[in-house]
Amino acid sequence: DAGVIQSPRHEVTEMGQEVTLRCKPISGHDYLFWYRQTMMRGLELLIYFNNNVPIDDSGMPEDRFSAKMPNASFSTLKIQPSEPRDSAVYFCASSIGTKVEKLFFGSGTQLSVL
Amino acid sequence: DAKTTQPPSMDCAEGRAANLPCNHSTISGNEYVYWYRQIHSQGPQYIIHGLKNNETNEMASLIITEDRKSSTLILPHATLRDTAVYYCIVRVGGTGGFKTIFGAGTRLFVKA
Repeated sequence: DAGVIQSPRHEVTEMGQEVTLRCKPISGHDYLFWYRQTMMRGLELLIYFNNNVPIDDSGMPEDRFSAKMPNASFSTLKIQPSEPRDSAVYFCASSIGTKVEKLFFGSGTQLSVL
Repeated sequence: DAKTTQPPSMDCAEGRAANLPCNHSTISGNEYVYWYRQIHSQGPQYIIHGLKNNETNEMASLIITEDRKSSTLILPHATLRDTAVYYCIVRVGGTGGFKTIFGAGTRLFVKA
């Protein structure tokens, strides 16, 4: 299995532009998570899905952020419009919803908003 | 989920055992202890988990005290590649309502 796949690996954009981050979870996993990591705030859970349905988006910072999961093998995190303070590493993770959960993380997307 | 307390950083000599402590004094009976690590610029990696008993796998051992208020992750023969941030997480078991929250973790430096 290829693991959780995220794209792009790096994204550089200008303030005000729309940014779309992509994630392909491990096949068969029914939970998908989006995290953001910065030096100041560490790893923050933004939103997670179960069977393609958003369960908890309380970590999404503001309305500029949106996430979708149109099917079991694809999810997007969109920022529109982007701001410099959105610069961070964004990780996607997936898991199987069993009693004991192990998260499998992708390699992350390094986002720089200039 | 119970809060955890970890030292911000630790050093370990290569080839020696690395013992990483974690306090979780408010843990409840149905909460598991998980350990993840994050090597620089990579996504976090699951290491091990436990409920009551000590656990061992190919990566590490987990020792949980009898009262479950603290635990220790043991890397028996640390290598330079074990230099990473190690996260101790306590989270309830059971399906639904999954929220794995990462704290600041312990930055382990393995030195030659």
